[in-house]
Amino acid sequence: GAVVSQHPSWVICKSGTSVKIECRSLDFQATTMFWYRQFPKQSLMLMATSNEGSKATYEQGVEKDKFLINHASLTLSTLTVTSAHPEDSSFYICSLQGNGYTFGSGTRLTVV
Amino acid sequence: GEDVEQSLFLSVREGDSSVINCTYTDSSSTYLYWYKQEPGAGLQLLTYIFSNMDMKQDQRLTVLLNKKDKHLSLRIADTQTGDSAIYFCAEIKPGFQKLVFGTGTRLLVSP
Repeated sequence: GAVVSQHPSWVICKSGTSVKIECRSLDFQATTMFWYRQFPKQSLMLMATSNEGSKATYEQGVEKDKFLINHASLTLSTLTVTSAHPEDSSFYICSLQGNGYTFGSGTRLTVV
Repeated sequence: GEDVEQSLFLSVREGDSSVINCTYTDSSSTYLYWYKQEPGAGLQLLTYIFSNMDMKQDQRLTVLLNKKDKHLSLRIADTQTGDSAIYFCAEIKPGFQKLVFGTGTRLLVSP
């Protein structure tokens, strides 16, 4: 399957600042990537579908102005959490659809 | 129901078999997946089954699919302590690209 690199693995930021998370496809040209959020001891919830060269499709209830997604190339999608607050603290995981679905290693965001 | 349901917790002894169950939502889902997540890590694809299959075996893993009841199970033979993790089933609904995950089952394997 495809190889996905996600970083940073973890980040701590202050309230009000913005954090960018990168998801790279190392060996596959991904027209579509997915961003998930996972709260402790809970399942993965799809936040948005990232489409190369076009706007992302957000799931119901996800604020598109807060969670900015950019998919400018076939190998890179970024998720920017803007004006982060403690309730944004979570585990964020990207995925791409290649030969099946491959997941990044996740980013643990802690907002203090 | 709307959610993909799994039992929350399963505890087994090393060497025993583990069976993790999943009830999914859409009988026309095309592919059904099993993923493993270790603490603080992403998801690792274990296996998947196409909807026209009843069973799939891959080394220690056996997947059973009952489409009528929308029930999926994962059997791990000779469970090892390294199998301790959270296991998620997931379905792809027809017409959609996205995976819908189950609630997750935490498997604890004791020596």
